[in-house]
Amino acid sequence: AQSVTQPDIHITVSEGASLELRCNYSYGATPYLFWYVQSPGQGLQLLLKYFSGDTLVQGIKGFEAEFKRSQSSFNLRKPSVHWSDAAEYFCAVAAYSGAGSYQLTFGKGTKLSVIP
Amino acid sequence: KAGVTQTPRYLIKTRGQQVTLSCSPISGHRSVSWYQQTPGQGLQFLFEYFSETQRNKGNFPGRFSGRQFSNSRSEMNVSTLELGDSALYLCASSNRGEGGTQYFGPGTRLLVL
Repeated sequence: AQSVTQPDIHITVSEGASLELRCNYSYGATPYLFWYVQSPGQGLQLLLKYFSGDTLVQGIKGFEAEFKRSQSSFNLRKPSVHWSDAAEYFCAVAAYSGAGSYQLTFGKGTKLSVIP
Repeated sequence: KAGVTQTPRYLIKTRGQQVTLSCSPISGHRSVSWYQQTPGQGLQFLFEYFSETQRNKGNFPGRFSGRQFSNSRSEMNVSTLELGDSALYLCASSNRGEGGTQYFGPGTRLLVL
């Protein structure tokens, strides 16, 4: 069965500093990987996704993620964090379940706090 | 395009009652998935519907059920509510050509007293 691990429950960074959120996955086939962001009391917004090809993918809001098959990782990065980036971030892997269906499995999330 | 909409946004029920939540997917999306989000368990998959048929089901008791209509709108129902059912219920829609990419609604916050 597939799984996703986000080792950091909570990260605090200063505004303007760089950010890296870690994600490790376990899946037997080529993974489809996603990062979502959730503001308090809201739904999940898709930041970026990786299906194949270039291992560095660009997303919205200045985020990027790098897929490393050898490390089973898909870490999210941003060069300069803004106060509005404070939120919870979820990594997910899509597993094919047949007949065109995919099932997303999420990590437990990393809560990002930003110090002014 | 309008995004995924969920109604109601907030709900308070008492133990033993039942509740029905509604989800309207993005126009053209025929797959709808439901998730339960709690602080302790995180995001857990409930079920997926496509073409009015349940395609996948998570590990939840039979009190949790759902259905999908011909216009792809979906409802989920929880019967005999328990305190532990208090959660944010999220609906997501997808286009099967996008490799599992799901687009989420704002959720329904359910509080069971």
